Order: sequence, then structure tokens, then C-alpha cells
Amino acid sequence: AIQLTQFPSSLSASVGDRVTITCRASQGISSALAWYQHKPGKVPKLLIYDASSLQSGVPSRFSGSGSGTDFTLTISSLQPEDFATYYCQQVNTYPHSTFGQGTKLEIK
Amino acid sequence: QVQLVQSGAEVKKPGASVKVSCAASGYSFTSYGIHWVRQAPGQRLEWMGWINGGNGYTIYSEKFQGRVTITRDKSARTAYMELSSLRSEDTAVYYCGLVLKSYYFDWWGQGTQITVTS
Repeated sequence: AIQLTQFPSSLSASVGDRVTITCRASQGISSALAWYQHKPGKVPKLLIYDASSLQSGVPSRFSGSGSGTDFTLTISSLQPEDFATYYCQQVNTYPHSTFGQGTKLEIK
Repeated sequence: QVQLVQSGAEVKKPGASVKVSCAASGYSFTSYGIHWVRQAPGQRLEWMGWINGGNGYTIYSEKFQGRVTITRDKSARTAYMELSSLRSEDTAVYYCGLVLKSYYFDWWGQGTQITVTS
């Protein structure tokens, strides 16, 4: 099974900071990767799909890049509502999928 | 408006089974499949399986094969996930998820807390 490793596992940042989260796949997955934002007590929210496509309604400060095995999620200028846990998901073998272990983004 | 509404929280004893429902509305139920994903405390999201809403065909994660059964009732527009031989490690929030375009979860149920305790 394809494994996804995210780093860092946690990150402290301030409002206005630029942050980057990385997701590495154990084998090539082309661009079959998504990023979700998950807040406590809420359902995960799709932010980015196909590695770099912005989901409708998601602010443009979120962006994704990468293909093959290495992917990044970038938030260009952190807003207070962005503090959450972020997960990558691969769907290269859809409907099977796997998720990264998550990156918890906290306020510094 | 698409909605996935799940059944309520349950507490089960080790060795028991649990069946969680996911009632769908706002889209053509038989044209799309429903996934099941869970998240144990402090753990990553974990994909469990998928059912085709039209013909009922299922695909399961190897990890849960033999312990999970996903079914659907077309007339009720509802999918079900039954997990048997429960153990404490199955304590988690269970979600149903819907892929309407491409391969990514556009919509999620609200989640169902399943607690396994003696």
C-alpha cells in the first residue's frame, strides 16, 4: 500500500506568516493528491485536489504543488481561521486511498 | 444541497458489532459511491471501504477485510457500515464520504463516535 509521510508533524506560526507543509509518497502517484483542513469537531474540508487545483470557495492564499512523490501545501499569509490540522490524501489507486499522519498548525 | 446524515454515537463491548448508517440527499444516489473513513484518537484518517450506490459493488481496505461489511438501501438512499469483532482500538469517529467529481471527498457526513469499552 502507498504510504504518505507528512512533515512537520506540528508547526507553530503567527498570523501573516507563510507556511509550507510537505507530503511524501512511498511511490509515485502522479498528481493524485489532495489536501484537507480539519478542525476539532468539524468534518475535513477539501482545499486542494489533483495536487495543485484549488477547490471552489477556498481562499487563494492556499496553494499546492508537486507530482510524483513530493508535494507541498503553502499558505501564503496565515489567517486566524487557518489554525487546524492538515492532511494529504492519495487516490492513485482509487477507490482505495490513504492519508498522511497530519500536520497540526498552531498559533505561536 | 447535498447532505450526508449519519446515525448517532454508540458504546459497544469488545467482541460486539456496530452498524452505522449514512442517509444521503441532494444528488443521484445510484450514480455515485460512498466511502467510509475513520479516525481514532490521535491517529490519521483511515480509509475503510467503498460501495457503488448503483449496483452495490464493494471494495474494502485489506486492513478491514473480513471484519467490515458495507451495504446500501437504494430506496432509503442510505449506506451502512458494519464492523464486527470490535476491540478497543476500533474506538474512533467514523465518517461517510462522497466523491461527486474527480476522486476526492467533496462531502462528508457529520461523523459518528463509536466507543468500544468493557
